[in-house]
Amino acid sequence: EPEVTQTPSHQVTQMGQEVILRCVPISNHLYFYWYRQILGQKVEFLVSFYNNEISEKSEIFDDQFSVERPDGSNFTLKIRSTKLEDSAMYFCASGRGAHGETQYFGPGTRLLVL
Amino acid sequence: AQKITQTQPGMFVQEKEAVTLDCTYDTSDPSYGLFWYKQPSSGEMIFLIYQGSYDQQNATEGRYSLNFQKARKSANLVISASQLGDSAMYFCAMTATGAARQLTFGSGTQLTVLP
Repeated sequence: EPEVTQTPSHQVTQMGQEVILRCVPISNHLYFYWYRQILGQKVEFLVSFYNNEISEKSEIFDDQFSVERPDGSNFTLKIRSTKLEDSAMYFCASGRGAHGETQYFGPGTRLLVL
Repeated sequence: AQKITQTQPGMFVQEKEAVTLDCTYDTSDPSYGLFWYKQPSSGEMIFLIYQGSYDQQNATEGRYSLNFQKARKSANLVISASQLGDSAMYFCAMTATGAARQLTFGSGTQLTVLP
């Protein structure tokens, strides 16, 4: 059964460094999402992506964040200058359905900013 | 804006018994979707079940069923015949409006299945 994959599974970085989190969504899905989950808290929406552009973004998704679909398979989240509070689990999801509403999550990337 | 409320931070159930996890929601949209996800201690998010707001029947997927009461704005998850492997955090979520329907999550319920 096809699944969403994410790399790396864990990343440790210094504050102020740039990180790129990578995702390979399910191939026939058209909607892609990034969510984050700070330890012990609920999952929060960051951004959705459809038809090669951002569809929606939350207030968390400020100018430090960007997303790209550089080729037909990868979907990346870049954090330009990481802050301590960016430490979280980052989930990629891809969606099927008329509006991508049934979403399948990847295993997550645990980011730790020191 | 959508809001999901899960009032049970933790629940215990005996193995082989059924358990109900509560979820209430708030939205002004006439069309929406409701979901349950399971998050084991390993951290991944596993899709369990989906209910559309216009679906006439309650959704079922194996041992999972969703008790959808539209007038009460509740979407409780029922797990029948609990197994030790069901111990996990369970999140209720709903879709937002918009072209790409991002999920709004509740705070979760930690379920522990006792042998």
